[in-house]
Amino acid sequence: SQQGEEDPQALSIQEGENATMNCSYKTSINNLQWYRQNSGRGLVHLILIRSNEREKHSGRLRVTLDTSKKSSSLLITASRAADTASYFCATSGAGSYQLTFGKGTKLSVIP
Amino acid sequence: DGGITQSPKYLFRKEGQNVTLSCEQNLNHDAMYWYRQDPGQGLRLIYYSQIVNDFQKGDIAEGYSVSREKKESFPLTVTSAQKNPTAFYLCASRPRDRGPYEQYFGPGTRLTVT
Repeated sequence: SQQGEEDPQALSIQEGENATMNCSYKTSINNLQWYRQNSGRGLVHLILIRSNEREKHSGRLRVTLDTSKKSSSLLITASRAADTASYFCATSGAGSYQLTFGKGTKLSVIP
Repeated sequence: DGGITQSPKYLFRKEGQNVTLSCEQNLNHDAMYWYRQDPGQGLRLIYYSQIVNDFQKGDIAEGYSVSREKKESFPLTVTSAQKNPTAFYLCASRPRDRGPYEQYFGPGTRLTVT
């Protein structure tokens, strides 16, 4: 069964605005990852945050993790039209290298 | 040029026919994965392999089969037993038993069965 649930399902913003997507999960995790998928393409890894980390940055991306609430957020700052894609969170449990994906947030950045 | 290749990009089959999807990687990764993605949905794990000549069922293995005779290759066969085979199929790989934990994905094969 899918563990992660992203919120919102779809998000439309103007170029230059920030985009925030949330992910909730149900069981204990070892790490949480975010992936991007352009329409009809494979997934690309964006960032990984371990269960003992609370925040991580990579370029215009900022990820937070709250293990007490079993939730994570992905913030994309100063969005660009090229950021238009679906974004998925994926969790990995302790001792497992398997990933469980959520249903994704579809982000549209309007030029 | 390192990466994962999947072929073909689009595949059309008649109902009742088996079809094999190709996945090849030259990243020297031990572990390989097959996922299925339906419209507006996340990825669901079909099969995975941690090492040559070994593979395990994922969450939705019924109607599918795999082989892992070479490290570089992990073909997926969609059999006629799969009730609803039309979907987007993604192959992925990663190094085994150590970080990094991220998976590397191929471009996908869109299978349509009519």
